[in-house]
Amino acid sequence: GEDVEQSLFLSVREGDSSVINCTYTDSSSTYLYWYKQEPGAGLQLLTYIFSNMDMKQDQRLTVLLNKKDKHLSLRIADTQTGDSAIYFCAESYSSASKIIFGSGTRLSIRP
Amino acid sequence: DTGVSQNPRHKITKRGQNVTFRCDPISEHNRLYWYRQTLGQGPEFLTYFQNEAQLEKSRLLSDRFSAERPKGSFSTLEIQRTEQGDSAMYLCASSAQTGKTNYGYTFGSGTRLTVV
Repeated sequence: GEDVEQSLFLSVREGDSSVINCTYTDSSSTYLYWYKQEPGAGLQLLTYIFSNMDMKQDQRLTVLLNKKDKHLSLRIADTQTGDSAIYFCAESYSSASKIIFGSGTRLSIRP
Repeated sequence: DTGVSQNPRHKITKRGQNVTFRCDPISEHNRLYWYRQTLGQGPEFLTYFQNEAQLEKSRLLSDRFSAERPKGSFSTLEIQRTEQGDSAMYLCASSAQTGKTNYGYTFGSGTRLTVV
């Protein structure tokens, strides 16, 4: 079955790195995504990774994929107050099929 | 193009009434998705269209829910005989046919439904 699990909360100090973890169950997932949702706003696609990749870096964001353990992580370097949001891990079988979302990790930044 | 547009932004209705929401996707996107999000949860898939064809419906979509996309452009989601459990944010998203750089969806800001 399809299931995506995330921890609910993460608190980090401004300037530190944030690491948000996710596990998924569907081994046929081909695309894995990280979405960001700020209060009162829609979901914004942050980054994605294909299942045949181990790592993807995009500026302050680094995505690591361990396909064997079905574990995905998002690292945000030099975390800023503007990074406060809920981060959703998600997966899909194809780029056009439905996307299954986790429950989200609320990232809070402390001074 | 201003992205995915959803109307209304908020809807308060009495239990038992019918409600209809509208979604206007990005004009060149041929796929349109409806999701529901309740507080503290991630979005849950409801249904999706490719052009005017409804290709998949979740078991969450009871008989009281119906979605249409008559001309392959905008879509409507109707809930009949609303119940308090229908209170949620209803999200619409669109995506283009598979392309080299087109992955993930573009989401609208959602319609927040409150059933009293």
